[in-house]
Parts: sequence; structure tokens; C-alpha cells
Amino acid sequence: SYELTQPLSVSVALGQTARITCGGNNIGSKNVHWYQQKPGQAPVLVIYRDSNRPSGIPERFSGSNSGNTATLTISRAQAGDEADYYCQVWDSSTAWVFGGGTKLTVL
Amino acid sequence: EVQLVESGGGLVKPGGSLRLSCAASGFTFSNAWMSWVRQAPGKGLEWVGRIKSKTDGGTTDYAAPVKGRFTISRDDSKNTLYLQMNSLKTEDTAVYYCTTESGSLDAFDIWGQGTMVTVSS
Repeated sequence: SYELTQPLSVSVALGQTARITCGGNNIGSKNVHWYQQKPGQAPVLVIYRDSNRPSGIPERFSGSNSGNTATLTISRAQAGDEADYYCQVWDSSTAWVFGGGTKLTVL
Repeated sequence: EVQLVESGGGLVKPGGSLRLSCAASGFTFSNAWMSWVRQAPGKGLEWVGRIKSKTDGGTTDYAAPVKGRFTISRDDSKNTLYLQMNSLKTEDTAVYYCTTESGSLDAFDIWGQGTMVTVSS
């Protein structure tokens, strides 16, 4: 079965750039989606198909995907960006797969 | 307003059954591919299964841990998605979300608020 690996936690200073990685075998050949989930709330799609932002998502959120790692980048991090972030892919043998999630702390 | 509202959660004993519902509004439900995603307390997201639109065959797919125990169905006349859960185990305890698989985004773009299912004796 296909697996996605995320760091448990990432910290970033207020106003700086946070990078959250998502590792998977040849993940660069797949479409990667990213979700933000704040405590007690449903997830929200922030990046789809590697690097596209849904309407309403700030330009500070961007994504990239190559080789065995996809990356969600949050520029000029704000206190309101504190949340759990999950990557997701579709795998032909495993169907939809989520990464384990990364807790982003803004210091 | 585009909205998904889950209901039907609650406390059930191991081995028991429960049916969740997800009422959709604000979009053409009959054209939507729908998924269930769950989240155990303090844990990450886990995809449960999905159902395609009837025009795309109406077929279902399930994650390995629930295959053979859970059944996803839809009633397009009522704009409602269902999750029938049988032979429940303690490890099925989670918040269950319904979500749409956007054909244009290839991702889950609309989520309900979730409904809690607790399996305990």
C-alpha cells in the first residue's frame, strides 16, 4: 500500500516562511493536495494538484512536488495559520491516501 | 450556500450497527462523487470510501479496514449520502466527515462539520 510521510511538527517565527514536506515513493508522478485543519473544525482544501490554490486561499500558500517529496510553503506566516496540515494523493492500488499530518506552530 | 450536514452519530456497542446521513445543498448532488473521511480522537484523517455519481456508474470503493462492513449509498432524489456501518469495532470510533470529490480540482473541496461515532461497551 502507498504511504505518505509528514513531520509531526513544524515551527515558524511570525512573518517567516514555513515549509511542510510530504514524502512518498515517486510522489512527483502523482497529484498532491493539501488540507488545513484547525481544532474542532473540518479540513479545508488549501492546495490542489501540487500547486493550485482554490478561490479564497491567500497567495501566501503555495506548493511544489518533485521526485519523492511534495512541499507546502506558507510565506509570511501568521498566527491564524496555526493548524494541522495534511497531504493527500490518489494511488491506484490504495485509493485515497492521507499523510499523517503536521502540526504547524507559529512562534 | 454550498453545504453538507452529517447526522446519525452516537454511541454504539461493539458488533452493533449505525447509519450516518449527509444532507447536501447548494450544488448538483447527483453529479457529485462523494466520500466519507474519518478522524479518530487525536489522530489524522483516514479515507473510508466513496461513491461515484450514477452517470459515472455509481460504483463504490472502500478502504481496507472497513471493506465488507461498511456500505456507502446515495439517494439523489433526497440529495443525501449514507454510510451504513455494521460489525462496528472500538477502532471505528471517530468523527465522520462527508466530502465532495471535485471533478475539476481532483480534490475534496466541500466538507461537512462531521458527526461523532463512539463504539464502546
